[in-house]
Amino acid sequence: GEQVEQRPPHLSVREGDSAVITCTYTDPNSYYFFWYKQEPGASLQLLMKVFSSTEINEGQGFTVLLNKKDKRLSLNLTAAHPGDSAAYFCAVRITGNTRKLIFGLGTTLQVQP
Amino acid sequence: NSKVIQTPRYLVKGQGQKAKMRCIPEKGHPVVFWYQQNKNNEFKFLINFQNQEVLQQIDMTEKRFSAECPSNSPCSLEIQSSEAGDSALYLCASSLTGGTTEVFFGKGTRLTVV
Repeated sequence: GEQVEQRPPHLSVREGDSAVITCTYTDPNSYYFFWYKQEPGASLQLLMKVFSSTEINEGQGFTVLLNKKDKRLSLNLTAAHPGDSAAYFCAVRITGNTRKLIFGLGTTLQVQP
Repeated sequence: NSKVIQTPRYLVKGQGQKAKMRCIPEKGHPVVFWYQQNKNNEFKFLINFQNQEVLQQIDMTEKRFSAECPSNSPCSLEIQSSEAGDSALYLCASSLTGGTTEVFFGKGTRLTVV
């Protein structure tokens, strides 16, 4: 089945620095990709969804890049601030009618002032 | 903010006891998922429903776990005989149908089996 590898597991940056989290996946039938943020005690918050093509999506303070050729998905926080400190998870949906998501193991990001 | 409501937020059970948690999906969402997130942040898909029908469930769910999504009532996930290894955050999520729809998560029920 689909396997999603997320790197790095832990990341510590200073305020204003960029932070890059990358996921690679194996199933060529993967077609829909998500990034979630999880703060302690809170829900998984959807940051961005990306479709099945090489795509760069920009959100508030971050950029998401999908490269289907390399089966790679990345999240780039362009100028991190302490409020970005949280766990980040990528998730992949594969073709089929179950609609379930396959998650990476997450990246715990610490942004130091 | 997520409109998926999970209760209780925290649940403590002894080994062998039943553990039951509930989920109210976002209004209008016919698809409901249950995931288990362990202390290593691994997400394990347990089961999902479309309306009241099971779409897919894993073996673990078929044996000690039971779940249902009755019409006009909260969905529920119940562990018949809790084990220490069941201690985890149980996340409920809901979505519309369609392959490109977003999935919205509740805050979870944190189960501790002592």
